[in-house]
Amino acid sequence: DAGVIQSPRHEVTEMGQEVTLRCKPISGHNSLFWYRQTMMRGLELLIYFNNNVPIDDSGMPEDRFSAKMPNASFSTLKIQPSEPRDSAVYFCASSTRQGGNSPLHFGNGTRLTVT
Amino acid sequence: DAKTTQPPSMDCAEGRAANLPCNHSTISGNEYVYWYRQIHSQGPQYIIHGLKNNETNEMASLIITEDRKSSTLILPHATLRDTAVYYCIVRVAGTSYDKVIFGPGTSLSVIP
Repeated sequence: DAGVIQSPRHEVTEMGQEVTLRCKPISGHNSLFWYRQTMMRGLELLIYFNNNVPIDDSGMPEDRFSAKMPNASFSTLKIQPSEPRDSAVYFCASSTRQGGNSPLHFGNGTRLTVT
Repeated sequence: DAKTTQPPSMDCAEGRAANLPCNHSTISGNEYVYWYRQIHSQGPQYIIHGLKNNETNEMASLIITEDRKSSTLILPHATLRDTAVYYCIVRVAGTSYDKVIFGPGTSLSVIP
C-alpha cells in the first residue's frame, strides 16, 4: 500500500500563475478530501468527493479555486490565478465510507509558495 | 465549525502516560470519535477511533465516557517522538454527507 500520493511536494510560483496540485488516493477508497493548512487558520476542509462526485465545496475560498476528480484514482486542485495569500500546505486524504467507521489517510502534502 | 473542544496545549514527562482530553458534548449516536496527530508539517496521522466502547491499539488507548460526551486519548509511555499536535474529531458518513472538520487540536510537548 503506497498510501496517498501528492505531487509536487513543493511548488513555488509567481502571483497570477496557474497552479495545479495532484492527488492519487489509496486504491479502493471512494471518499477524497482536500485540506489547506496555514498557521493562522489551521486545517481547513476545502472540498470532498464521494465516488468521484463533489459533495460539498463550501470550503473552497473563491472562484479561483477548483477541484476535479475525473476517476477514482486521481484528483486535482487548481488555483487560477494564484495569489500570495494562497501560500499554504495543501493536503489530500482518502477513505472508505462505511458509515464513518474508517479513518482518513493523508498524503504528505504540497507546500505552495506564491510570490 | 469543529464539534470538539480540546485544551490548546499540554506537557508530559517522558516515560509517563499522556492523557489528552476532548469534549464532544453535541455528538450524535452514529458519530465516531477519531484521534489524529500531526508532527511538524507532515500529514495528519491516524491514531485510533471508537463509537461507544473503549479501544486500544499499538499506539494508544481511547476512553469514551458512557454518555459519549467526552473522551480521553492515552499514550501509555510518552516519548519525545510523541511531541505533536493531537486532533480529536467526530465523524459520520451518510450517503451524501461526510464532512470531517479539524479544530486547533492540543499541542503536546513531551519533556525529557
